[in-house]
Parts: sequence; structure tokens; C-alpha cells
Amino acid sequence: EVQLVQSGAEVKKPGESLRISCKASGYSFISYWIGWVRQMPGKGLEWMGTIYPGDSDTRYSPSFQGQVTISADKSIGTAYLQWGSLKASDTAMYYCARPNHYGSAREPFDVWGQGTMVTVSS
Amino acid sequence: DIVMTQSPDSLAVSLGERATINCKSSQSVLYSSNNKNYLAWYQQKPGQPPKLLIYWASTRESGVPDRFSGSGSGTDFTLTISSLQAEDVAVYYCQQFHSIPPVTFGGGTKVEIK
Repeated sequence: EVQLVQSGAEVKKPGESLRISCKASGYSFISYWIGWVRQMPGKGLEWMGTIYPGDSDTRYSPSFQGQVTISADKSIGTAYLQWGSLKASDTAMYYCARPNHYGSAREPFDVWGQGTMVTVSS
Repeated sequence: DIVMTQSPDSLAVSLGERATINCKSSQSVLYSSNNKNYLAWYQQKPGQPPKLLIYWASTRESGVPDRFSGSGSGTDFTLTISSLQAEDVAVYYCQQFHSIPPVTFGGGTKVEIK
């Protein structure tokens, strides 16, 4: 079964760093892009960026470029989303998702992680 | 960036009646080399991740009931639920994946039972 399993909920203070994870199973991790999507409380979906684990090619939304870092460790089939200094406005649910066809980022997401809730509060 | 605009923001439909959601893109999402519209529809229920319903504007994802259908081309698209069921209460999003980065989503349409 193809699955993306994300790390658990986090509660952090402003200024702290954080890395959340997305572990893939059931398919060839290096052959599919993985994207990250933010959903702020009560709001819609925002695409943050995507990575191709095969060669670490990474694309960011201009809205998130410089604010987060997307990475992947192909030896353990895991993608990451990282912040260097969190803000209260980073409070949101974060989803990882995989496109429905290998090798292309220009595909819809047919597999989603369960989401990781990040709360940033002093 | 391609801006995706959905309408209405919400709608209430009686059980068994038709629900229609519109999505307009600020630029065409039709790729001329393969004649495909890079447009998808998702359903999101409370507390769940989004679920892919339709892609290439009109191709139903495996396992999606046939009461869900997508249509349109270029910049104007529609998701239709032909006979609304109680389990269809959700927020629906359109998404373009023609021009990345970034992929962009519509603002969402909340569907409720009248």
C-alpha cells in the first residue's frame, strides 16, 4: 500500500527551529516528486514547494522561498520541511503529498499524508 | 502566478439535487502539445487531508463515484455533483498544475445540505 506517514503535532515558541517529516512507503521514493501544502486554521490550501528525491531538485513557491527548506533523505525514504525561526503566523496544518505519476511535478496529488499540526505560540 | 477563482464560496443543496461549482483560471491551463487541461478537483472533509476527485479537468480518479464529473477547458471549469448525497458535504478545491512553481489552488467552495 502506498502511504505517506507524517510526524506528530508540534508546539513551539516563536524563534525556535523545527523540522517535520514525511515517510514514504509502498513505492519507489526516488521516482516521484513530493510536495508540501500549508493549510492555516479555517483557510484554504497553499502549495509551498516540491522536491524530487532522486536528485534533490527542489522548487519553491515564491511565497515560501527563503522561509522554509524542503529536503529529502532517499536512504530512509523521508522528506522534510524545516524552519529556522518560527513565527506565530506559521501556525497551520502541513501536508505532504505525492503526484499520481512518477517523474513529473506537473501532476495532481493522489496520495496525501495525514497532516502535521504546527502551533507556534509564546 | 496563475490565480484560481472559485464560485460560489458556499452553497446549500437538497439531497438528491445537483451541485455545481465553478473555477476560473487567470491564464489558460490547456497544454497545447498534448491537449490536456492541467486542472484537478479535490474534496476535503473536516479533519481529513484533501482527496483527489478529478484530474485533466474531466478524468475521474479511480473509486470516485460517477455522480462527480468535471468539465471545461482553457480557463473555465466546472465540478458537478449530479445527485448530492449526505457524504458529499465537504469543501471542494480546484488546482492548476500547468505552471509551476507555484501550483495554485482555488479558495474553496463549501457544500452543505439544504
